[in-house]
Amino acid sequence: DGGITQSPKYLFRKEGQNVTLSCEQNLNHDAMYWYRQDPGQGLRLIYYSQIVNDFQKGDIAEGYSVSREKKESFPLTVTSAQKNPTAFYLCASSIRTGNSPLHFGNGTRLTVT
Amino acid sequence: AQTVTQSQPEMSVQEAETVTLSCTYDTSESDYYLFWYKQPPSRQMILVIRQEAYKQQNATENRFSVNFQKAAKSFSLKISDSQLGDAAMYFCAYRSGFTNNAGNMLTFGGGTRLMVKP
Repeated sequence: DGGITQSPKYLFRKEGQNVTLSCEQNLNHDAMYWYRQDPGQGLRLIYYSQIVNDFQKGDIAEGYSVSREKKESFPLTVTSAQKNPTAFYLCASSIRTGNSPLHFGNGTRLTVT
Repeated sequence: AQTVTQSQPEMSVQEAETVTLSCTYDTSESDYYLFWYKQPPSRQMILVIRQEAYKQQNATENRFSVNFQKAAKSFSLKISDSQLGDAAMYFCAYRSGFTNNAGNMLTFGGGTRLMVKP
């Protein structure tokens, strides 16, 4: 079945450590996105990528980095520069045009202590 | 930049009754798409319904329908015959229709938590 896989589901890190969240899709979608969700709040865009080897900052990119070396993969690194990294992270993908919706992964809950 | 506002942080409805969730948005674009997503306790984001701005007819999907008022920039979601499984966070989202415009990412509202009483 086609879909988006995020791993791991739960991640724990010590403050000051970088951590990378995985996102893989087999939907053959060109565009991929990373969103952050804080408790009781909506989703905020961190980074997005429309094609391989290209990505753009979203609304809250500071303290995060991404890469898009393969169409299927869009990993997100949470660096030590991110002041409040504890959150729920959602990866999504879509085709680039029309009214096609975003398809979401199941998310990764990151806790930094 | 576009903004999406959901003014009801929480709503409750009796099972089998009807409830309407509000959403307003701000945009200067004429071509765009609107979505409602559901996020149950599992936190999986599930598409509920979508609406193209160029269509006057309101979208419907089984028990879910929208009231799209383009001039008022309003996009409310009506859930009929509410079921216990409808309990979730509901997010309204906006997407530009201009595919060259900074990608096709969604801008989300803050969400409405819907509780369904048995």
